[in-house]
Amino acid sequence: GENVEQHPSTLSVQEGDSAVIKCTYSDSASNYFPWYKQELGKRPQLIIDIRSNVGEKKDQRIAVTLNKTAKHFSLHITETQPEDSAVYFCAASKHYKLSFGAGTTVTVRA
Amino acid sequence: DAGVIQSPRHEVTEMGQEVTLRCKPISGHDYLFWYRQTMMRGLELLIYFNNNVPIDDSGMPEDRFSAKMPNASFSTLKIQPSEPRDSAVYFCASDGAHSGNTIYFGEGSWLTVV
Repeated sequence: GENVEQHPSTLSVQEGDSAVIKCTYSDSASNYFPWYKQELGKRPQLIIDIRSNVGEKKDQRIAVTLNKTAKHFSLHITETQPEDSAVYFCAASKHYKLSFGAGTTVTVRA
Repeated sequence: DAGVIQSPRHEVTEMGQEVTLRCKPISGHDYLFWYRQTMMRGLELLIYFNNNVPIDDSGMPEDRFSAKMPNASFSTLKIQPSEPRDSAVYFCASDGAHSGNTIYFGEGSWLTVV
């Protein structure tokens, strides 16, 4: 099955700096790559996604890049704010079946 | 739409008891997923359904776990008998073509088995 690896497991950044989270996947047939944000005690919520026919996608301060050849994708958060503190999960999907990375705990220091 | 609705939100039960978790997917979604989240194992897919039919139950940990989807608006995940290691947050999620193949999670059911 699909194996998704996510790094780093924890990330501390100064408010206003950028944060980058990287993921790799194993199944070249995976074609959908969402990112979820989970705040403490809450459900995972989709923040951005990218499909295999696109190399990059942006939504305000968040961007995702995909390299299908290398089978890796990344999340970039610019101008980080305290409310960006949360656990972020990457995932890879084939035929609706999502496999998640282990998560990255992001802490934004004021 | 109210989103994916799960019940109960919190459950504390004694080891050996039967636990039933319930889920109502988003109307019109034809995929339903059950996930389990723990600190040690992260988010694990237990089972998913398409048009009420189980497609992949390879993530179900053992025979004590069972899931059903009798109709398009209701699913259950049952644990019988429950064990302390089943303590986790159980998320139900749904997806459908008209949502752009985006999976939406419910609030989760927080299960503690003592």
